Amino acid sequence: EPEVTQTPSHQVTQMGQEVILRCVPISNHLYFYWYRQILGQKVEFLVSFYNNEISEKSEIFDDQFSVERPDGSNFTLKIRSTKLEDSAMYFCASRLTGPNEKLFFGSGTQLSVL
Amino acid sequence: KQEVTQIPAALSVPEGENLVLNCSFTDSAIYNLQWFRQDPGKGLTSLLLIQSSQREQTSGRLNASLDKSSGRSTLYIAASQPGDSATYLCAEVSGGYNKLIFGAGTRLAVHP
Repeated sequence: EPEVTQTPSHQVTQMGQEVILRCVPISNHLYFYWYRQILGQKVEFLVSFYNNEISEKSEIFDDQFSVERPDGSNFTLKIRSTKLEDSAMYFCASRLTGPNEKLFFGSGTQLSVL
Repeated sequence: KQEVTQIPAALSVPEGENLVLNCSFTDSAIYNLQWFRQDPGKGLTSLLLIQSSQREQTSGRLNASLDKSSGRSTLYIAASQPGDSATYLCAEVSGGYNKLIFGAGTRLAVHP
């Protein structure tokens, strides 16, 4: 069964450093998302991406965050200057078409900011 | 503000029991509701998706219902097994580009 792939599975970084989290969505999917889950808290929406542009973003997704789809397969989340509070599990997700299609999640990247 | 609440927060049952997990949501304009399973340190696996025009969906031993008027959904697990032990999340989709609003989850433990 096709799956969403995320790398790395764990990332440790120093506060203030830039990190790039990578995702390969399912190949024929059109809608792409990043979510995050801080330990012990709810899964939170960060950003949605469609037709090569951001379609919606949350309050969390400030100027320190950016997303890119640099080629036909990869989807990246960049955090320019990491803060301690960015430590979380980051999930990439993709969906084929309309809202009544299931959302497929990757297994996540655990980001630890020291 | 859209809010999704799940009760109970945790549940421990003996193998073989039938059980019900509850989810409530505040947005009456819900588009659909999805149930996910999350294993420790892992991603989310979609279990069932109920469109707003539907009342229930079934997959194997799982049955999910949706009542928009009361703002509630339930996930029924029949004949529970130790392999069902996980956290179960419900999430609503409403409007926009269909971001999911998640509940905090019910942590289920099924013991032999």
